[in-house]
Amino acid sequence: NAGVTQTPKFQVLKTGQSMTLQCAQDMNHEYMSWYRQDPGMGLRLIHYSVGAGITDQGEVPNGYNVSRSTTEDFPLRLLSAAPSQTSVYFCASSWVAGTGGSYSGANVLTFGAGSRLTVL
Amino acid sequence: KNEVEQSPQNLTAQEGEFITINCSYSVGISALHWLQQHPGGGIVSLFMLSSGKKKHGRLIATINIQEKHSSLHITASHPRDSAVYICAVKNYGGSQGNLIFGKGTKLSVKP
Repeated sequence: NAGVTQTPKFQVLKTGQSMTLQCAQDMNHEYMSWYRQDPGMGLRLIHYSVGAGITDQGEVPNGYNVSRSTTEDFPLRLLSAAPSQTSVYFCASSWVAGTGGSYSGANVLTFGAGSRLTVL
Repeated sequence: KNEVEQSPQNLTAQEGEFITINCSYSVGISALHWLQQHPGGGIVSLFMLSSGKKKHGRLIATINIQEKHSSLHITASHPRDSAVYICAVKNYGGSQGNLIFGKGTKLSVKP
């Protein structure tokens, strides 16, 4: 099925460990993003990419690394996990609809199922 | 002040009721999304709006660009509509990947 695939769904880490959250999409979307969701807060952007080879920081990038070597994949790396990184992580991809009509300049968004990370 | 404000934060309704969830934003936007997050955590895009009104089944989304306000309406609500509804805006001229999210409205529909 076409969509955004995130792995793993659940992960428990100890403080200081590193890991990579995987995100892959098969819709040929140019844009991919990583968000974290914490209780009482809206989704917050960690990093995003507007195409292969291009990444940029979002609102809360510290402690995370990304790369975009292909259109399909956008992994998120935790360099040295901290309890403050306990959260639910979502990957999303989007494309820009053609100009004209009600879709001008807007995106269509697809989210992955989420990855729940606990750092002890 | 948050750039995207949703109201109410929590909403409880009886099955069959007409429901309205509001979203106000303070930035110029090129698009607004309504998202639904199921109790299991998955997020689904319901609508993407840049003007006017859209309808899909029992869901209707409207946007007033001049007033910087959008509403999501659910007609004949059903317990399966229970979810968190999230409004997200794309800043006009902002990077494509950069959306600003509201904190969500938690809807519970009782049978």
